[in-house]
Amino acid sequence: NAGVMQNPRHLVRRRGQEARLRCSPMKGHSHVYWYRQLPEEGLKFMVYLQKENIIDESGMPKERFSAEFPKEGPSILRIQQVVRGDSAAYFCASSQGAPGYTFGSGTRLTVV
Amino acid sequence: GNSVTQMEGPVTLSEEAFLTINCTYTATGYPSLFWYVQYPGEGLQLLLKATKADDKGSNKGFEATYRKETTSFHLEKGSVQVSDSAVYFCALSDATGANSKLTFGKGITLSVRP
Repeated sequence: NAGVMQNPRHLVRRRGQEARLRCSPMKGHSHVYWYRQLPEEGLKFMVYLQKENIIDESGMPKERFSAEFPKEGPSILRIQQVVRGDSAAYFCASSQGAPGYTFGSGTRLTVV
Repeated sequence: GNSVTQMEGPVTLSEEAFLTINCTYTATGYPSLFWYVQYPGEGLQLLLKATKADDKGSNKGFEATYRKETTSFHLEKGSVQVSDSAVYFCALSDATGANSKLTFGKGITLSVRP
């Protein structure tokens, strides 16, 4: 049973480009969470999704960021027109709804 | 709102030393409490958890007790190893909410020297 799979592991984008981060939850998990880790900081909640629904996006920046979790396929975190301040590690986690979840290894986004 | 405060780091210890990493929290209701560990270049791994007051979570020699009276969840280990070198995050989940999003502390880097 594979864990939470994120890809790519590393992503480099120039300012103004789009970044797409993918997350495949653990088999049988229907809850997906995205977190962002800035340098020297803890993780900050961004968005919580269930299949085809955004449940809580209170941590998402109002512009340029979007997330989806379609009926088929991975969850996608999309950042349009990236800026240097978007450089961070983005972690996805999945659960069955009980406290405590499984994290992926993250995508490290660098904006140059 | 919810918050988690961890002691300032980094922490450097010799192998076999005793470890305590302090964590206090502020939350409404009755949160669940967690310790996560992050090894270099990897994602977070759940180390242990406690879901109600006076519960003790334990794993790999690490322990933490949910103390509601002091709103604390300090992590302890009697004898650390070099392989314990990592970043440790304390977190809480608002169990009264509709989902279990986590609020994290800033993390503390532990380095264990041989």
